Amino acid sequence: QVQLVQSGAEVKKPGSSVKVSCKASGGTFSTSTITWVRQAPGQGLEWMGGISPIFGTPMYAQRFQDRVTITADESTRTAYMELSSLRSDDTAIYYCARDSGGAPENWFDPWGQGTLVTVSS
Amino acid sequence: DIQMTQSPSSLSASVGDRVTITCRASQSISYYLNWYQQKPGKAPKLLIYAASSLQSGVPSRFSGSGSGTDFTLTISSLQPEDFATYYCQQTYSTPQVTFGPGTKLDI
Repeated sequence: QVQLVQSGAEVKKPGSSVKVSCKASGGTFSTSTITWVRQAPGQGLEWMGGISPIFGTPMYAQRFQDRVTITADESTRTAYMELSSLRSDDTAIYYCARDSGGAPENWFDPWGQGTLVTVSS
Repeated sequence: DIQMTQSPSSLSASVGDRVTITCRASQSISYYLNWYQQKPGKAPKLLIYAASSLQSGVPSRFSGSGSGTDFTLTISSLQPEDFATYYCQQTYSTPQVTFGPGTKLDI
């Protein structure tokens, strides 16, 4: 079974970038799709994008297309999400999750523990 | 984008109650609908996938039904650990998946 462990909390200035990591243990990493979801304080869940490490081609939600970069390193079994041009409304918990595959009959399980990113001057 | 709505947005109930949460899609999504439970300070947890399939390890008091645009999550007899926020998710338009706004279930 895949387990996902994310990097620690970050505090960033507006206009800067943040890179969050998601390390997989157990299971098969290369053939999984790792997806990223964020949750602003007191708000719901928002899909940002994902990547299949074996193919290396990321997919992005349209609203983040210009600011997000998702990558994966098979050798370290780690996926990364980098968000640039940070604004205060990017303050959120960022989660990685494994996409089960088999779309459109797919789901997200398991999830990482989440990484709090705070954007403040 | 496919829009998801949930009702109610919040719900107060008691241990032992039967509770139903509704999720509606802005267009038909067949049975490509998942349910997640999220407790404060924790990551979401998959409960139900493909509208009605119970994820391994999830208690059988949880059930899901529906197809097309209307779906329900039912908890047959609420337990203290069930008080949480519940989200539906459509995967019909994968990779552009969308979540419902959530239903907060409290005592």
